[in-house]
Amino acid sequence: AQSVTQPDIHITVSEGASLELRCNYSYGATPYLFWYVQSPGQGLQLLLKYFSGDTLVQGIKGFEAEFKRSQSSFNLRKPSVHWSDAAEYFCAVGPMEYGNKLVFGAGTILRVKS
Amino acid sequence: DAGVIQSPRHEVTEMGQEVTLRCKPISGHDYLFWYRQTMMRGLELLIYFNNNVPIDDSGMPEDRFSAKMPNASFSTLKIQPSEPRDSAVYFCASSFAGWGQPQHFGDGTRLSIL
Repeated sequence: AQSVTQPDIHITVSEGASLELRCNYSYGATPYLFWYVQSPGQGLQLLLKYFSGDTLVQGIKGFEAEFKRSQSSFNLRKPSVHWSDAAEYFCAVGPMEYGNKLVFGAGTILRVKS
Repeated sequence: DAGVIQSPRHEVTEMGQEVTLRCKPISGHDYLFWYRQTMMRGLELLIYFNNNVPIDDSGMPEDRFSAKMPNASFSTLKIQPSEPRDSAVYFCASSFAGWGQPQHFGDGTRLSIL
């Protein structure tokens, strides 16, 4: 079955430090991959997406992610974290079957310390 | 452009009462998704529609839950009768048709059943 694993439930980084959030997927074909961010009390906002082509994709808010087929990974990175980046981050893969159904990871909560 | 609009934002009611959550998708989107988010179970897909037709309701937890989409601009998720374990944040999302189209989320309805 298709699945998404985010190994880290919580991550704490200092403001200004670099960030990498891990995502591993299990999927039978080349997947469509997404990263979403959820701030407290808000819905999920799309950060970036990968469909094909260049394996390094740029997103909003200074985030980027790299698709590595050999490792079945799609890790999210940011070179310098700001306090406003504190949120929960979700990796998702799809579509699983007919339609645009996505499978989401369990999420990683990012805390930023000043 | 208006995003996905959900109402109400918060709902507090007593167990046994009927609860109706509402969603207005982004104009022109062909797919509509209902999710439930809890600390214990994370983000769960309940049901999704394509062109107003339910495609997959396998995530609906019980017969107490029902969802309708009478037209392209409106959907409801109803719980009758409600129970305390239904307390969660319920999200609606919509997307265009096509492989790999991202889903756009509303801000959710925080439901508390006393």
